[in-house]
Amino acid sequence: GAVVSQHPSWVICKSGTSVKIECRSLDFQATTMFWYRQFPKQSLMLMATSNEGSKATYEQGVEKDKFLINHASLTLSTLTVTSAHPEDSSFYICSARGLRTTDSPLHFGNGTRLTVT
Amino acid sequence: RKEVEQDPGPFNVPEGATVAFNCTYSNSASQSFFWYRQDCRKEPKLLMSVYSSGNEDGRFTAQLNRASQYISLLIRDSKLSDSATYLCVVNNQAGTALIFGKGTTLSVSS
Repeated sequence: GAVVSQHPSWVICKSGTSVKIECRSLDFQATTMFWYRQFPKQSLMLMATSNEGSKATYEQGVEKDKFLINHASLTLSTLTVTSAHPEDSSFYICSARGLRTTDSPLHFGNGTRLTVT
Repeated sequence: RKEVEQDPGPFNVPEGATVAFNCTYSNSASQSFFWYRQDCRKEPKLLMSVYSSGNEDGRFTAQLNRASQYISLLIRDSKLSDSATYLCVVNNQAGTALIFGKGTTLSVSS
């Protein structure tokens, strides 16, 4: 089956630093990638949708200048949490879909657990 | 009304029991429906898609009622390994992304 690799799995950083998370589709071309965030005991919240070669579409309430998304190729999307603060500590998960249709399910990366101290 | 609503549970059942989860969604134009499973501190994994006519995969049966905007998941003969959080997933208003419910927690005990 399709594999999505996310890196790093776990990161601890100091407040004010920036963290980059990579999401790669390993055996298919991901025309669309999604970034979700999940706080403890909460549902996955969609942060943004990125299409290869175009700007990401951010959900309401998500600061695009704080969460920079780059989908530069059909196999790689990155999320950079800029000037991270403790309230940004969360589980960030990327997902990818190969076909330009919502009928196909998402393939998820293994997630990145971010802790900002 | 939230886009996707689920009873959070937890559902505590013995091995071998049959358990059903329900989910309601607000967007009447939604076309894609899925059940995902998420284990503690792990990423969600697709359990099954949900089709209009209802579909079955082994011990798991999914049903869709478009008129009531309601989705269900039935698990028969529960196993210990079924313990997880089950997420109801529906495509969003624009049809461009998938929206997750908060999940229903199942705990199967011996």
